[in-house]
Amino acid sequence: DAGVIQSPRHEVTEMGQEVTLRCKPISGHNSLFWYRQTMMRGLELLIYFNNNVPIDDSGMPEDRFSAKMPNASFSTLKIQPSEPRDSAVYFCASSLRDTNQPQHFGDGTRLSIL
Amino acid sequence: QKEVEQDPGPLSVPEGAIVSLNCTYSNSAFQYFMWYRQYSRKGPELLMYTYSSGNKEDGRFTAQVDKSSKYISLFIRDSQPSDSATYLCAMSRGGSEKLVFGKGTKLTVNP
Repeated sequence: DAGVIQSPRHEVTEMGQEVTLRCKPISGHNSLFWYRQTMMRGLELLIYFNNNVPIDDSGMPEDRFSAKMPNASFSTLKIQPSEPRDSAVYFCASSLRDTNQPQHFGDGTRLSIL
Repeated sequence: QKEVEQDPGPLSVPEGAIVSLNCTYSNSAFQYFMWYRQYSRKGPELLMYTYSSGNKEDGRFTAQVDKSSKYISLFIRDSQPSDSATYLCAMSRGGSEKLVFGKGTKLTVNP
């Protein structure tokens, strides 16, 4: 079975550039989560969707961050403009809502903003 | 006070040792408790998943939840070098809700 697929695996870009991270959830899952992991703060939720609808975006740090889920099999997290403090590993996870099943994670995108 | 506290370690043990990892939390609304294992440059991998209080065993791994004390534990018996990883506790109010993570404990099992 294919797990959660994230792309790119690594991204290095200069400050001020637009960054787009992509996620394909596990087929059939209808909840999708974006997390960010840093040494200082650990893993923190940015936003999550149920049935393609954003439910909780309270973890999105500021207006430079936006996330979309145009269909059940694809989501993007965009940072515009990017800043060095955005450097982190970004993870996507998915689960099957209302079954109390746990979240399954992708292998993340390691983002470096120079 | 953070919602979930976890000693970051690092923890170093000899092969075959029993390992005890734990987390405390402050939000009594948490009902679902998980342990994830994360290898370097990989995503968190679900290890154990429990609902409410009690114990759960899976092979060499045992998870315990004590809601009265707001304390969860993971025990690893007969630890192996392949168990060397960072262990993250996580919890949520509902089964499909956001996870709140501890910062992780880095474990090294020495051959």
